[in-house]
Amino acid sequence: DAGVIQSPRHEVTEMGQEVTLRCKPISGHDYLFWYRQTMMRGLELLIYFNNNVPIDDSGMPEDRFSAKMPNASFSTLKIQPSEPRDSAVYFCASSSGTGFSPLHFGNGTRLTVT
Amino acid sequence: QKEVEQNSGPLSVPEGAIASLNCTYSDRGSQSFFWYRQYSGKSPELIMFIYSNGDKEDGRFTAQLNKASQYVSLLIRDSQPSDSATYLCAVNGYSGAGSYQLTFGKGTKLSVIP
Repeated sequence: DAGVIQSPRHEVTEMGQEVTLRCKPISGHDYLFWYRQTMMRGLELLIYFNNNVPIDDSGMPEDRFSAKMPNASFSTLKIQPSEPRDSAVYFCASSSGTGFSPLHFGNGTRLTVT
Repeated sequence: QKEVEQNSGPLSVPEGAIASLNCTYSDRGSQSFFWYRQYSGKSPELIMFIYSNGDKEDGRFTAQLNKASQYVSLLIRDSQPSDSATYLCAVNGYSGAGSYQLTFGKGTKLSVIP
């Protein structure tokens, strides 16, 4: 069974450019999460979806960030315009529930904004 | 603001010893608790979860939970160099309006010395 698939693995871009990160959750998982990891702040929840509907986006840092889930097998996280402080590893994770279900993480996208 | 606190380490133990990793959390209503292991440059992977007070053992790993003290720990017996990684404590709690949120600590870096 394939795990959570993220693309690209690495992204290097210049400040001001648009960045789009992609995620395919595990089939059958109803919940999809976007996390950001930095040395200073650790793993931070940005947004999560249940059945393709955004439930909690309180972690999205500002209007430059947006996330969509057009169907059960695909989600995107977009940053426009990107800034150097957005440099981090972005993880997508999925689970079969919340509360008592563990998360399954993708391999992450390492974003560098110069 | 729900908080999960871990000693950042590094925690160094000799091969074959017991490694003890600790975590405290602020949300008294938290229901489920997870330990993830993250190797450098990799994504977090689940190693243990615990829901009830007491101990839960899985192979060389034992998770301990004390809800009254808001404390959860992970013991690794017979530590191996391959256990060298960062261990993330994650706590799941209700955040309102039908929303659950998994909050991660910043992790403890474990180094097992051969």
